[in-house]
Amino acid sequence: EDQVTQSPEALRLQEGESSSLNCSYTVSGLRGLFWYRQDPGKGPEFLFTLYSAGEEKEKERLKATLTKKESFLHITAPKPEDSATYLCAVQAVTSGTYKYIFGTGTRLKVLA
Amino acid sequence: NAGVMQNPRHLVRRRGQEARLRCSPMKGHSHVYWYRQLPEEGLKFMVYLQKENIIDESGMPKERFSAEFPKEGPSILRIQQVVRGDSAAYFCASSNSGADTEAFFGQGTRLTVV
Repeated sequence: EDQVTQSPEALRLQEGESSSLNCSYTVSGLRGLFWYRQDPGKGPEFLFTLYSAGEEKEKERLKATLTKKESFLHITAPKPEDSATYLCAVQAVTSGTYKYIFGTGTRLKVLA
Repeated sequence: NAGVMQNPRHLVRRRGQEARLRCSPMKGHSHVYWYRQLPEEGLKFMVYLQKENIIDESGMPKERFSAEFPKEGPSILRIQQVVRGDSAAYFCASSNSGADTEAFFGQGTRLTVV
């Protein structure tokens, strides 16, 4: 069964304290891995797409990487405005459809 | 360049009533996905539609729930005879092709059943 697991569930960082979020996956026929940010009461906001092992994407203080079994979202020198829930999703070819399968997210709190 | 539009943002229904949730995808997008989210939980897939076709409804409850994406107009998620357990946030996402591309989400509809 296709599965996505994110860790840790929650993370508290001091402003400027870099860290990484993990997304491990078990899927057949990976078509893409996606990172989203979700603020309370809002819809997920797209951040990155990764397609193949070794690929990296960067945006401001965020950097996403991909291996054959997991992805990392590295946060460098975070600020309080980076506080949010970060969601990882995979798209796999399952029974001929292309649904996105989400992990349960990592709730990040950055303290000033 | 509007994004994915969902309405209403908040919906209150009494037990036994019907709830209709609407989703207009981004311009040029013909693939729509519906997800359900409970507090402190992840997004649970419900249904994947293309124009006039249901592609994958493996996440939809067998009874009371239905979805459509007509040739003209928004996609509709319909919940008949709502119960308290249906209270959740329902999100719609759209993409411009089925595979190898990201999906963009709306702001969701928060359904409360009283």
